[in-house]
Amino acid sequence: AQSVTQPDIHITVSEGASLELRCNYSYGATPYLFWYVQSPGQGLQLLLKYFSGDTLVQGIKGFEAEFKRSQSSFNLRKPSVHWSDAAEYFCAVVLSNFGNEKLTFGTGTRLTIIP
Amino acid sequence: DAMVIQNPRYQVTQFGKPVTLSCSQTLNHNVMYWYQQKSSQAPKLLFHYYDKDFNNEADTPDNFQSRRPNTSFCFLDIRSPGLGDAAMYLCATSRDRGQLNNEQFFGPGTRLTVL
Repeated sequence: AQSVTQPDIHITVSEGASLELRCNYSYGATPYLFWYVQSPGQGLQLLLKYFSGDTLVQGIKGFEAEFKRSQSSFNLRKPSVHWSDAAEYFCAVVLSNFGNEKLTFGTGTRLTIIP
Repeated sequence: DAMVIQNPRYQVTQFGKPVTLSCSQTLNHNVMYWYQQKSSQAPKLLFHYYDKDFNNEADTPDNFQSRRPNTSFCFLDIRSPGLGDAAMYLCATSRDRGQLNNEQFFGPGTRLTVL
């Protein structure tokens, strides 16, 4: 069965510092990978996605992620965080079973920004 | 702007009193999903509709039902809410089935409180 692991439950970084959120997946075939962000009390907003092609994916709000097949990883990065980036971040993978696409989420990483 | 709308944003109900949550979309997407998200947890898929075809997840309790009267609207009915059903309920849509069409767009969620 496919699974998504986000090893870090909570990360704290200083404003202006760089950020990397880890995501590992377990899936036999080529995965379809997503990063979503959720601000407190809000729905999920798509930051970026990887389907195929260039393994470095650019997203919104200055985020990027790199797909590394050899490491089964899809880590999210940002060179300089802003206080408004404080939120919960979810990595997700789609089960590519045509007709029954199911988005499987990791457990999330809560990002705290300190001044 | 095309979007996914959920009403109400906050719903309070009494233990055992039926409640209905609403989702509408202006994206004209074929697939609509309902997720349950408890505090500090990842969203959990309850069921989804592909057009008029209802697809229930195996572990979704019978207490949860759904209706999709037309393309734009989808409802989540909780027949007899228990205290354990207090959660954020997220509606999402995707354009169609198939790996290139399965990006999901989320609404802002409805936070359900059960007294």
